[in-house]
Amino acid sequence: GQQVMQIPQYQHVQEGEDFTTYCNSSTTLSNIQWYKQRPGGHPVFLIQLVKSGEVKKQKRLTFQFGEAKKNSSLHITATQTTDVGTYFCAVIMNSGGYQKVTFGIGTKLQVIP
Amino acid sequence: GAVVSQHPSRVICKSGTSVKIECRSLDFQATTMFWYRQFPKQSLMLMATSNEGSKATYEQGVEKDKFLINHASLTLSTLTVTSAHPEDSSFYICSARETNYGYTFGSGTRLTVV
Repeated sequence: GQQVMQIPQYQHVQEGEDFTTYCNSSTTLSNIQWYKQRPGGHPVFLIQLVKSGEVKKQKRLTFQFGEAKKNSSLHITATQTTDVGTYFCAVIMNSGGYQKVTFGIGTKLQVIP
Repeated sequence: GAVVSQHPSRVICKSGTSVKIECRSLDFQATTMFWYRQFPKQSLMLMATSNEGSKATYEQGVEKDKFLINHASLTLSTLTVTSAHPEDSSFYICSARETNYGYTFGSGTRLTVV
């Protein structure tokens, strides 16, 4: 089935440094979503990308969808301690007439004050 | 925004007993809900797709008779872990898709089987 590889699995940064997580697929994706899960919490939807080369921004977060629609990245500028958590990319697939979400392994971000 | 309520948030049960977890969409109707399982420090693994008014669609390797799913209305899906064993201890999360807010997740249920 459809799989996305997400790297890195762990990232420690000093507060104020930038952070990037990447998702890659061997096949062309119709769309990709990004979620954030705080420690002990549940995933929260951040954004969906559907267009080739799409770039979306949410304050300090920048999301990109590759031109070939096979990779995506999430970049955080000047990290803050509130950015701590695990960031997942996810792919929406149509299966048996229904949509379902397949998640990447996630990147756990630790921000050192 | 779209809200999905999941209950209970934590449950401890004895081995061999059954546990029911409820997932409700509070301000929208969800013909489809999804049940995930998450082991510590791992990603969410889709267990099954819950379809209102019809049988759930289970992912490969998920035991249908052990994880019973009922989606009796457009706002409620339940997951029952039958004859629970310690290896079933995990974090179970449901989600539903709302048109404007993407996939919204419940707060999760931490199941501990002793």
